[in-house]
Amino acid sequence: EILLTQSPATLSLSPGERATLSCRASHSISNYLAWYQQKPGQAPRLLIYDASNRATGISARFSGSGSGTDFTLTISSLEPEDFAVYYCQQRSNWPQITFGQGTRLEIK
Amino acid sequence: EVQLVESGGGLVQPGGSLRLSCAASGFTFSNYAVTWVRQAPGKGLEWVSTISGDGSSTWYADTVKGRFTLSRDNSKNTLYLEMNRLRAEDTAVYFCAKDIDYVSTALFYFDYWGQGTLVTVSS
Repeated sequence: EILLTQSPATLSLSPGERATLSCRASHSISNYLAWYQQKPGQAPRLLIYDASNRATGISARFSGSGSGTDFTLTISSLEPEDFAVYYCQQRSNWPQITFGQGTRLEIK
Repeated sequence: EVQLVESGGGLVQPGGSLRLSCAASGFTFSNYAVTWVRQAPGKGLEWVSTISGDGSSTWYADTVKGRFTLSRDNSKNTLYLEMNRLRAEDTAVYFCAKDIDYVSTALFYFDYWGQGTLVTVSS
């Protein structure tokens, strides 16, 4: 099983600041990584797939990078609606899909 | 507009059974793999099972293999998850999610999700 470790567990920032979230895989997963945003009481929303491709309708504020074992989700300038929990997910060794434990992005 | 609507959740005793449904609309259902992902209360996301667009292939997490059965009826645009021998650790919100790609059998990225249905396993 490929484990995904997200850091930090909680990130406290103010609107307008830049957010950098990390996801590290226990084995190389090439670029087979996605990022999701989840707000309380809602379903996850796909932001990024294949490490750096924005999903349809996703703001250019969101960008993804990385390959192999280290990946980053960057939010260039935080808007109030960006405060949520973010999950990474790998599909490298499908069908054994795994998610990271999540990073909570909270307002400072 | 793509919509996925889950139903069938509820309270069930340990060892019991439940069938979840996911009704899809707004896209050509038979062209896409569909997946169940669950989320225990206050916890993260866990992949449960995926079925290919034509229903010929199914995949299961080890935690549910042998107890859960995933199927689909493309004439009704509906997905079914039959859950047997339920355990307390199966308690979660169950989401169905559409695969992002229609060319491959399944790409295992999920671009549309339902709002989820809560399954509680407790005596």
